[in-house]
Amino acid sequence: GDSVTQMEGPVTLSEEACLTINCTYTATGYPSLFWYVQYPGEGLQLLLKATKADDKGSNKGFEATYRKETTSFHLEKGSVQVSDSAVYFCALRGEGGGADGLTFGKGTHLIIQP
Amino acid sequence: NAGVMQNPRHLVRRRGQEARLRCSPMKGHSHVYWYRQLPEEGLKFMVYLQKENIIDESGMPKERFSAEFPKEGPSILRIQQVVRGDSAAYFCASSPQRVERETQYFGPGTRLLVL
Repeated sequence: GDSVTQMEGPVTLSEEACLTINCTYTATGYPSLFWYVQYPGEGLQLLLKATKADDKGSNKGFEATYRKETTSFHLEKGSVQVSDSAVYFCALRGEGGGADGLTFGKGTHLIIQP
Repeated sequence: NAGVMQNPRHLVRRRGQEARLRCSPMKGHSHVYWYRQLPEEGLKFMVYLQKENIIDESGMPKERFSAEFPKEGPSILRIQQVVRGDSAAYFCASSPQRVERETQYFGPGTRLLVL
């Protein structure tokens, strides 16, 4: 079945550091790929998405590129802020019939220190 | 446009009681998904519903759990005879249609604690 693997956390960085959170997936065909962010005590918010190979999703300074050849969708940001502290989830929605639910990674807790 | 609404936000039940979780999708959305998040885990898909129909319940436990999305009113996730292992955050998401690439929008979740 489909699966998503994310780097383990927590990831602790200083403000203005560069961020990369790795995400790889296993799925047949061409799934849609997503990054969601969860702030403490809140639900998930869509951060960005990509629906086909080589697409780049971007939002709020975050970027991720759909790499079919490496089955990856790594999240990057050039300069993080304290307000970026949250849990980040990589997810996919499979292609084809029956692919209704999203498959999530376990999440990566990001801590940004001033 | 109000987002996905869930209530209650927090629910405490004793073992053996029933838990009822409600979800109102975004305006214009007729597709609802339920997910469960266990501590330190990612979200796990449970069930997908359209109005008056269960489309995919492949992630639902076979016993004690049920879901509905009536013609009028919110979607309900019902857990009968709760056990401590049911303690989790339950999230609802909605989308406007069942298109493959459609984004799902999540509610704030209901945090269930079973004593």
